[in-house]
Amino acid sequence: AQSVSQHNHHVILSEAASLELGCNYSYGGTVNLFWYVQYPGQHLQLLLKYFSGDPLVKGIKGFEAEFIKSKFSFNLRKPSVQWSDTAEYFCAVITSGGYQKVTFGTGTKLQVIP
Amino acid sequence: NAGVTQTPKFQVLKTGQSMTLQCAQDMNHNSMYWYRQDPGMGLRLIYYSASEGTTDKGEVPNGYNVSRLNKREFSLRLESAAPSQTSVYFCASRAGLRGSNQPQHFGDGTRLSIL
Repeated sequence: AQSVSQHNHHVILSEAASLELGCNYSYGGTVNLFWYVQYPGQHLQLLLKYFSGDPLVKGIKGFEAEFIKSKFSFNLRKPSVQWSDTAEYFCAVITSGGYQKVTFGTGTKLQVIP
Repeated sequence: NAGVTQTPKFQVLKTGQSMTLQCAQDMNHNSMYWYRQDPGMGLRLIYYSASEGTTDKGEVPNGYNVSRLNKREFSLRLESAAPSQTSVYFCASRAGLRGSNQPQHFGDGTRLSIL
């Protein structure tokens, strides 16, 4: 069965600091990977996605993520965070094929201090 | 565009009461999902429906039932609510079927408290 691990549960950064949130998945086959963001009191919104091709994908609001197949990782990065990035971030995986099950990590709460 | 609409937004129940959470999407998506979100546990899949007419259990199906009424609607029922089911429930949909590389679209959630 597929699983997703997010090792950082709570991250506190000052504005302008760089961000990297870890995401590792376990599944031997082809996967599609996503990062979602949930601002306080809101629903999840898609940040970026990886399907195939260039392993470095760019998303909205200056976020990017790198897929490293050999490490089963899909870490989220941002060079300089802003106070408005305070939110919870979720990594998710969908396995290729007709199987439609989506698995989420437990989330990382990011707090950016002005 | 409405996207994914969940009703109600808030609900308080007494232990043992029953309740149906409604979800509808207007994007002609094939797949629909119900999750619960609890602090420190992320989103856990309760049930999903890969296509109209099919439903499958997720990670935490006990105490819940679902109905894929038609392509648009996917309801979640608590037959006898328990305090452990206090949570925020999210419905999601995605295109599905013709490629698994589509993201999910989420509703605004239902905050459910069981006393």
